[in-house]
Amino acid sequence: DAKTTQPTSMDCAEGRAANLPCNHSTISGNEYVYWYRQIHSQGPQYIIHGLKNNETNEMASLIITEDRKSSTLILPHATLRDTAVYYCIGPMNRDDKIIFGKGTRLHILP
Amino acid sequence: DAGVIQSPRHEVTEMGQEVTLRCKPISGHNSLFWYRQTMMRGLELLIYFNNNVPIDDSGMPEDRFSAKMPNASFSTLKIQPSEPRDSAVYFCASRDRGNTEAFFGQGTRLTVV
Repeated sequence: DAKTTQPTSMDCAEGRAANLPCNHSTISGNEYVYWYRQIHSQGPQYIIHGLKNNETNEMASLIITEDRKSSTLILPHATLRDTAVYYCIGPMNRDDKIIFGKGTRLHILP
Repeated sequence: DAGVIQSPRHEVTEMGQEVTLRCKPISGHNSLFWYRQTMMRGLELLIYFNNNVPIDDSGMPEDRFSAKMPNASFSTLKIQPSEPRDSAVYFCASRDRGNTEAFFGQGTRLTVV
């Protein structure tokens, strides 16, 4: 079963930052948090992952709290193409199986 | 690389028939995952392989489902006999050793009538 908690859905205006929260209070040791998204009718796509430090790549930023029990995925300038279901996955070790929860359905509003 | 390749993209079959779904992982990847997605149950992990060996098949729903990985470049998921409740989108994914990112195929949409 998934060990993360995410809101069911969120709205964000186009051009604004989308902030997607995730709780993973059971995280321990060297377990990571991963984010994937699934655009309608496509397979899931990896976005970013983190251990304890904040991370940034070309798609998004990941902010992890100091106690590591929660994190926020940030899409800095959301576009209509970012409309998707976003999955926070973990906590898990790098070679673990990947278990998806229900995710957050993000709607980008024009 | 062309990514993870699944075939067929769509399959319609009659109840009771055997169905075989195919997956070609990305070359060099050593982990392979099979998932099933429905509106009711979301994305469920069915089975995953490391180095062609099944590591965890606890998600396989029942004996009608079987998966094989005869070599590093090919895997099959077979349903025999198929039932209407097996209708879903089936995804295959692969991951490289020591890497964190799994790559998914486009999925096979199975309809059992």
